Order: sequence, then C-alpha cells, then structure tokens
Amino acid sequence: DAGITQSPRHKVTETGTPVTLRCHQTENHRYMYWYRQDPGHGLRLIHYSYGVKDTDKGEVSDGYSVSRSKTEDFLLTLESATSSQTSVYFCAIMGQGNTIYFGEGSWLTVV
Amino acid sequence: KQEVTQIPAALSVPEGENLVLNCSFTDSAIYNLQWFRQDPGKGLTSLLLIQSSQREQTSGRLNASLDKSSGRSTLYIAASQPGDSATYLCAVFGSGNTGKLIFGQGTTLQVKP
Repeated sequence: DAGITQSPRHKVTETGTPVTLRCHQTENHRYMYWYRQDPGHGLRLIHYSYGVKDTDKGEVSDGYSVSRSKTEDFLLTLESATSSQTSVYFCAIMGQGNTIYFGEGSWLTVV
Repeated sequence: KQEVTQIPAALSVPEGENLVLNCSFTDSAIYNLQWFRQDPGKGLTSLLLIQSSQREQTSGRLNASLDKSSGRSTLYIAASQPGDSATYLCAVFGSGNTGKLIFGQGTTLQVKP
C-alpha cells in the first residue's frame, strides 16, 4: 500500500460541467501522475508532477489541467467535461526504488 | 516513438501449468521496465521492477527478465493458480527517470481449476 487515495471513486456528471479529481498521498513522494484507461487504448499519461507547482503534459493532456499546491495533493480538472472524457482515471506515484504505485481509480461518466 | 506490445492478448491455461507472458518494445533506450497485475474493476498492483542494468528480477513464483538489445521482456509464472487470473501489463519508463510509463495493452490470463 503506497498510501494513495483517490476521490471521488465514482462520479456521473453532465457535459459541459467542470470536474475535479483528487489524488492524495501520505508519504511525501516527489513524482505524481494522472493516467486514463480506455478499452482499445490502454493506459495513457495525462499529466504528471515532479514537485510542488511543477507539472508537465503527458500524451493526452488536451482538455485537462492539473495543480499541485501541496506535496500530498495532485488535482486533475476537466474544465468542461465531454463524453470522450468518460473513462477510468488512475493516480500514481513514484515510490521507493523508482517503483510506480497506482491508486484504486476514479470512474467518471459524462452524460 | 516508443511502442509496447504484449502478445498474446488473452491466454487460458489449466491450473499448475508454468507460463510465459511476453512484452516487446521498439526503443531499447529504456530506463526501467515494470510489470503490473490488474484485477477487474481494480487498480494496478506492481509485481516487479527491472532496472535497465538488470537482467531479471524474482518475486515468489514470478520471474521477469529483460533483454534490452532485443527489446523484450518476459514474465514467467510458475505453477499457475486460479488466483493468478488477471490482466498483466508491462510498462517501460520513457524519458529517463521521470517515471512516465508507456504501457502495453496487456495479456488477460485465465487459469482454470
């Protein structure tokens, strides 16, 4: 258990509304990541962070923004949700020995 | 652009069989490679991490090997059990040690009692 908590775990929202997913870690790891997982595409990196206020884009960053104002929290925001953003979102951290650990996931449905 | 491929996409074996899952990658300049397990509706569980300087790693009944020059990794599962049924994913670390993972599509394993 790498001490990763994602919230909410499940959410249904309407097209055009803003949505924020939260990832919280308890062990002061420097690197944090947001991935999405979709059938036929597998897991793809959205954004990642390498420290407080230090973030960078991943492979599928369009339509998403992130913030990291504290070491323990990494927020993923969908400014105006679209149906194509219906997915499972996973937060991850780089732990000891450079091993990547994942959270339990957040299931988002945009209707 | 790094691409990761896992073959086969699905595998069904009887309990007790030894099996090998394959992972190939197109750019041999990887930093690390990590194997994960994912149960339906769950997150990813880390199984093994192989550093680029290593040839293999072992954990219990699992053994992962890495051959960077040929762009291949294998995950060997000994004496398979029904509880091993899951999707197995391999991922390579792109861009040095930033931990940005590039995933294969996974192999879904079913072990029949």
